[in-house]
Amino acid sequence: AQRVTQPEKLLSVFKGAPVELKCNYSYSGSPELFWYVQYSRQRLQLLLRHISRESIKGFTADLNKGETSFHLKKPFAQEEDSAMYYCALRGTSGSRLTFGEGTQLTVNP
Amino acid sequence: EAGVVQSPRYKIIEKKQPVAFWCNPISGHNTLYWYLQNLGQGPELLIRYENEEAVDDSQLPKDRFSAERLKGVDSTLKIQPAELGDSAVYLCASSKTLAGGLDTQYFGPGTRLTVL
Repeated sequence: AQRVTQPEKLLSVFKGAPVELKCNYSYSGSPELFWYVQYSRQRLQLLLRHISRESIKGFTADLNKGETSFHLKKPFAQEEDSAMYYCALRGTSGSRLTFGEGTQLTVNP
Repeated sequence: EAGVVQSPRYKIIEKKQPVAFWCNPISGHNTLYWYLQNLGQGPELLIRYENEEAVDDSQLPKDRFSAERLKGVDSTLKIQPAELGDSAVYLCASSKTLAGGLDTQYFGPGTRLTVL
């Protein structure tokens, strides 16, 4: 079975502060990990995926297989980063995406 | 490009009534997904189609839910009869099937269902 846990439902930071959204997963094989974001009144969209090893909008995430984590980080948060963030896992057996419950990030001015 | 299109965007019905949701995927995307998103939760897969074939419907409550993708393009998800607990957002997504795996899933805006 595959499972994704986002321990924080709400996260609030000030503009310019570092931000880290936590994601832990449970999967017996080699998973593919994603971060999806949903801005207010917009559809769910892919932010980044671990195999790309890229930085999108200043966000990065490193897959740590030892700790089974895929935390999302940004060194200097901006107000426009305020959104709902979902961590998701795709196993090797198919395309089923398993999502976490999401973290609502609020960046205060 | 319009992206994944869903209709209606909102639907309010009384319990025991039927309801149907429609999805038009991105052109060229052969894989289509229906997800259920309850309030405060992440999306959960209901069914996945590869062209017109349902290849993963293990999470679809088949006593009241049904889906079809007759020509491998548009899809319809139906609930009959609806129950109070079906109130949620129903998301459609699509992706291409590429050699070695699947491309990114692109989501529609969702249909918010309220069952009274």
